[in-house]
Amino acid sequence: GAGVSQSPSNKVTEKGKDVELRCDPISGHTALYWYRQRLGQGLEFLIYFQGNSAPDKSGLPSDRFSAERTGESVSTLTIQRTQQEDSAVYLCASSLLAGGSLVGETQYFGPGTRLLVL
Amino acid sequence: QKEVEQNSGPLSVPEGAIASLNCTYSDRVSQSFFWYRQYSGKSPELIMSIYSNGDKEDGRFTAQLNKASQYVSLLIRDSQPSDSATYLCAVPYNFNKFYFGSGTKLNVKP
Repeated sequence: GAGVSQSPSNKVTEKGKDVELRCDPISGHTALYWYRQRLGQGLEFLIYFQGNSAPDKSGLPSDRFSAERTGESVSTLTIQRTQQEDSAVYLCASSLLAGGSLVGETQYFGPGTRLLVL
Repeated sequence: QKEVEQNSGPLSVPEGAIASLNCTYSDRVSQSFFWYRQYSGKSPELIMSIYSNGDKEDGRFTAQLNKASQYVSLLIRDSQPSDSATYLCAVPYNFNKFYFGSGTKLNVKP
């Protein structure tokens, strides 16, 4: 497909379990972002990947959260020992170029993964 | 202090009116600003971006930027019920870390 895809679309898990969320960016997009959106809230920046550069992990809320990206393709966000406060929609977005340039900064969002931790 | 602030609303306007959505940001060096629209249960989609002081028009939408006041707004002319959504202001810091406002919910009444 032409857009950003994410899987699974919904995930229900028990407290303490690990979950892995997947994002397939638009082909050719070098930048990839993960956000968390709690119900009725704005988007909370989690992590940013740009090409082969070291990712900006400054938004990860705790060491239970980690993310990886292979080159300029798929990314996975892993949450270990999930807690109820992790329940949210996790959104992935990709863009053609990194922020700071005057073109290509538009972020294209995937449909999100709705995570519910019981 | 939040990096990007928006009035959460809801903002209610009658169909055909002008809706005005406002956003303030804290980082004086930010160079680009984005407005996203998010329908309930859906992902955000870009409405407009603006980089220079002044107005930028695209159809019924006008973005206004005032860097001295650290203020960016979005005007929607001839509002339609289909414009009813949450509008998110986004500002990149350090070129790659995007901060989003909490969003303003707009209701356009037929």
